[in-house]
Formats: sequence, C-alpha cells, structure tokens
Amino acid sequence: QKEVEQNSGPLSVPEGAIASLNCTYSDRGSQSFFWYRQYSGKSPELIMFIYSNGDKEDGRFTAQLNKASQYVSLLIRDSQPSDSATYLCAVNQAGTALIFGKGTTLSVSS
Amino acid sequence: GAVVSQHPSWVICKSGTSVKIECRSLDFQATTMFWYRQFPKQSLMLMATSNEGSKATYEQGVEKDKFLINHASLTLSTLTVTSAHPEDSSFYICSASGSGRAGGTDTQYFGPGTRLTVL
Repeated sequence: QKEVEQNSGPLSVPEGAIASLNCTYSDRGSQSFFWYRQYSGKSPELIMFIYSNGDKEDGRFTAQLNKASQYVSLLIRDSQPSDSATYLCAVNQAGTALIFGKGTTLSVSS
Repeated sequence: GAVVSQHPSWVICKSGTSVKIECRSLDFQATTMFWYRQFPKQSLMLMATSNEGSKATYEQGVEKDKFLINHASLTLSTLTVTSAHPEDSSFYICSASGSGRAGGTDTQYFGPGTRLTVL
C-alpha cells in the first residue's frame, strides 16, 4: 500500500514567521512531488512541484526533497494570515495517479 | 496555472434524479482526468481515473453503474450521478493532467468543484 503521511496539525505560527510543513512517502519509486493548498470549501490549488533532490524556491515558498529519506517539505517564509489553509502533499510515479496525504492545516495568526 | 472549469458549481436535486457534472480543460489537452469526492472536513477521495477515449477506471468501492464517467474528448469529461440519494451529497472535484503545462504530464490541475445536495 503506497502511503503519503502528513501531520494533520493544526500547525499554528505567528504572522511573519516561517511555517514548515512535512511529508513522508512509502514508495521509493516515486518520481514527482507536489504541494497543493486547499482553502476551506474550495478545491486544491497547485503551489509547487519538485522532481530532483534539493531545494526549489518560488517566491515565499520553498520545496525541499530528500529521496534517500523519502521526505519532502514545504517552507513558507513571512507567513501571512491568507496562508491559513490545508496543505496537501502528493506523490506519484510517472504515468500514475497522484497519491495524496490527508493534509496539514496551517493557521497563521495576526 | 492551467485552467480547469466545472459546471455547475452547485446543484440541488431531488432524491432519485440524475445529475451531470461537466469538467473542461480550457487551455490544454487533458489526456487524463480524475474525479474526486470530498465530504466536509475529510480528505480527498479518488473515485475514478479516465483517459480520453477509454473507459474509466474506478477505485475500489465506487459503483461504476451509479457514477457514470465519460471522457469523450481531450477537453471534456462528465460525471453523472444516477439515481442520486442524500448520502451522495458531497463536493465533487475533477482534475486534469496532460502535456504542454508547467510541471509535466503528471501534474494535476483541479477544477473549482461542484457542490451536490440531494434532498
């Protein structure tokens, strides 16, 4: 059974702080890694994808991948109240459906 | 990002009727479309995967005769909930993947969802 694990949270951080969201996966053959953001009552929105070990930065977001440890994370710098949402980690092998984690709820307080 | 639309955004129907939900990829060719269901405060649940021109592959426990999926073109997939009952009330979300978009062919872009209420 291929699994993606995330801490459900809630993860609470003050405005301006760095939020760190973590995800582990069981399938060592996974090749693609994604982070989605889902606001309450809305559908998921793609934030970032990463394929290679290391860091990938996009604005305030940094995705980090460590395939040896089967670990992927998302850092949000200068967190804003508008970042409060559920963050979904998803992984897959090429040509297969994404496997989603259950999500981590982030709450950013002003 | 890529644009995926769904119609209708919400629908209320009587028990026993059928409801059709459309999912369109507006700016890319979606070779694969996915249908999810999400109950309040619960995780996404994949219902089925469809490739253009092929029969959908349903996840275990999803009744294929109740949830009819058609993916007749590279831009349109439909989900029909047949003989809907109150327990089918949920948030139905489609996603699409294909070539020509950021992230490659495995990246899924989600539609805005359809909220179904069965009375």
